[in-house]
Amino acid sequence: RKEVEQDPGPFNVPEGATVAFNCTYSNSASQSFFWYRQDCRKEPKLLMSVYSSGNEDGRFTAQLNRASQYISLLIRDSKLSDSATYLCVVKAVRDGGSQGNLIFGKGTKLSVKP
Amino acid sequence: NAGVTQTPKFQVLKTGQSMTLQCAQDMNHEYMSWYRQDPGMGLRLIHYSVGAGITDQGEVPNGYNVSRSTTEDFPLRLLSAAPSQTSVYFCASSPWGVSYYEQYFGPGTRLTVT
Repeated sequence: RKEVEQDPGPFNVPEGATVAFNCTYSNSASQSFFWYRQDCRKEPKLLMSVYSSGNEDGRFTAQLNRASQYISLLIRDSKLSDSATYLCVVKAVRDGGSQGNLIFGKGTKLSVKP
Repeated sequence: NAGVTQTPKFQVLKTGQSMTLQCAQDMNHEYMSWYRQDPGMGLRLIHYSVGAGITDQGEVPNGYNVSRSTTEDFPLRLLSAAPSQTSVYFCASSPWGVSYYEQYFGPGTRLTVT
């Protein structure tokens, strides 16, 4: 089983739609979770961190379910500018500590159409 | 601040040639890393460093060397280029020792090996 798995996509949605991305991770000791956004031919950039209680940033809501090892990202009222690839990211944990490298999912491509 | 800079942006090499991809950051980050991104494979960690003089291997280190003589610079050396190393290479930096942090990426180097 891959360490971080995402919906393969692509997701093609009309403007104004609500779209949800899902992600699962295999290491139950993982402690930090993120969603990154990558525009075509650009570098990844942090969209939002994902906290245990869930968190919201404008039209974006992230949820974490530690028991199911599942992370989600909900985008409401999609805009054309939301078109990008969304990467689920989990921090690997080393030696029982809290530090480690980031493990990236392969990403889910979103296209928002007029 | 310039953030994370990478040079060159594009490079074409012949099989067997060697070269160094440059990466620099001006945010005084302890952690620096190199990833390669291939279609359908996502971002894979090549090498990383948690401070000057300290480097370690990531998921796909073969064929690459790194060194970290200063906090700012983290060059990646291709020893003898192979077509399988055709990829987009991203350098990234972040703080180290905290649970949640943003990893900042450079703009990438697109490398083609013929």
